[in-house]
Amino acid sequence: DAKTTQPNSMESNEEEPVHLPCNHSTISGTDYIHWYRQLPSQGPEYVIHGLTSNVNNRMASLAIAEDRKSSTLILHRATLRDAAVYYCILRGNFNKFYFGSGTKLNVKP
Amino acid sequence: DVKVTQSSRYLVKRTGEKVFLECVQDMDHENMFWYRQDPGLGLRLIYFSYDVKMKEKGDIPEGYSVSREKKERFSLILESASTNQTSMYLCASKPGQGGYQPQHFGDGTRLSIL
Repeated sequence: DAKTTQPNSMESNEEEPVHLPCNHSTISGTDYIHWYRQLPSQGPEYVIHGLTSNVNNRMASLAIAEDRKSSTLILHRATLRDAAVYYCILRGNFNKFYFGSGTKLNVKP
Repeated sequence: DVKVTQSSRYLVKRTGEKVFLECVQDMDHENMFWYRQDPGLGLRLIYFSYDVKMKEKGDIPEGYSVSREKKERFSLILESASTNQTSMYLCASKPGQGGYQPQHFGDGTRLSIL
């Protein structure tokens, strides 16, 4: 099964854009790329997902490389409430969501 | 919005006890999951269920069992609790089998086994 690689931590200033990278070099053609985030003392929360094309929603944007071996979650204006652990996951066959260790995002005021 | 409710946020039990963790979802989702989350290990799938009375083992099922008698409820059972089962337990649900469908998580149960 495909796995993902993310930096352990990143830091951003409030109200600046944040680009969170994810490598998934073994992705298969049918794997969806999902992003979740986990705020302290809460369960993971769905952020966005995509297959091939870039995606936007009210929370974030997802940029997917043309070869699909990497993707980037973009928070356009980070707020203190965006401080969380962000997980990039490949979702292929039915029962497998693989959560790695994620990227801990720290947002400075 | 989908709501996944776990019965307890914090639970303390003793070694050897039989422990029940309960999870209820209110959106008629077919699929439900139990994970445990440990520092440095991420989330690991224990069991999942794709229908009432149906269950499948995940990556770390040893020492656990599950029950799904009703569609909305999925229970995780620690048959004889041990200290290495001290962890955060997360329940999730998902509507169908499509790869595009997200999972919806509860807020977790932090279980301590003494």
